[in-house]
Amino acid sequence: QKEVEQNSGPLSVPEGAIASLNCTYSDRGSQSFFWYRQYSGKSPELIMSIYSNGDKEDGRFTAQLNKASQYVSLLIRDSQPSDSATYLCAVKLKGREAALIFGKGTTLSVSS
Amino acid sequence: GAVVSQHPSRVICKSGTSVKIECRSLDFQATTMFWYRQFPKQSLMLMATSNEGSKATYEQGVEKDKFLINHASLTLSTLTVTSAHPEDSSFYICSARDALTGSHEQYFGPGTRLTVT
Repeated sequence: QKEVEQNSGPLSVPEGAIASLNCTYSDRGSQSFFWYRQYSGKSPELIMSIYSNGDKEDGRFTAQLNKASQYVSLLIRDSQPSDSATYLCAVKLKGREAALIFGKGTTLSVSS
Repeated sequence: GAVVSQHPSRVICKSGTSVKIECRSLDFQATTMFWYRQFPKQSLMLMATSNEGSKATYEQGVEKDKFLINHASLTLSTLTVTSAHPEDSSFYICSARDALTGSHEQYFGPGTRLTVT
């Protein structure tokens, strides 16, 4: 059973702080990793994709990938109340036509 | 770019009836579309992978005769929930890949909330 694990939270941070979201996956052959943001009652929105070990930065967001540890994380700098949402980690399985397996998501709450 | 639409956004139907949900890629061609279901407080569960011009691939435990998928063009896939029951009430979301870029990024539609009474 291929799995993607996330801490469900809630993760609470004050406005302006760094929020750190973590994800582990079981399929060592996975090649592509994604972070989605989902507001309550809405569909997921792609934030970041990462394919190589190391860091990838986009604005206030930084994705980090460590394939040896089967670990991917998302850092949100200068967190804003509008960042409050559920963050879903998704992993593309090797050998499957673009099928993504999603974690259960981490709920982030940013207080002003 | 990469906009995916769904219709309807919300539907209420009676038990035993069928409901069709449309998923369209508006500004790109999608050889592959995906259908997910999400129950409250749960993550997205992949139901099926829809390939243009061929039969859909269903995930284990998803009844293909109950959830009919048609992907007749590069911009449209439909999901029909047949003989709906209250336990089928859920948030149904489609996603699509841009065929030309070859990227594995999936772009989601806004979802359809189905309530079966």
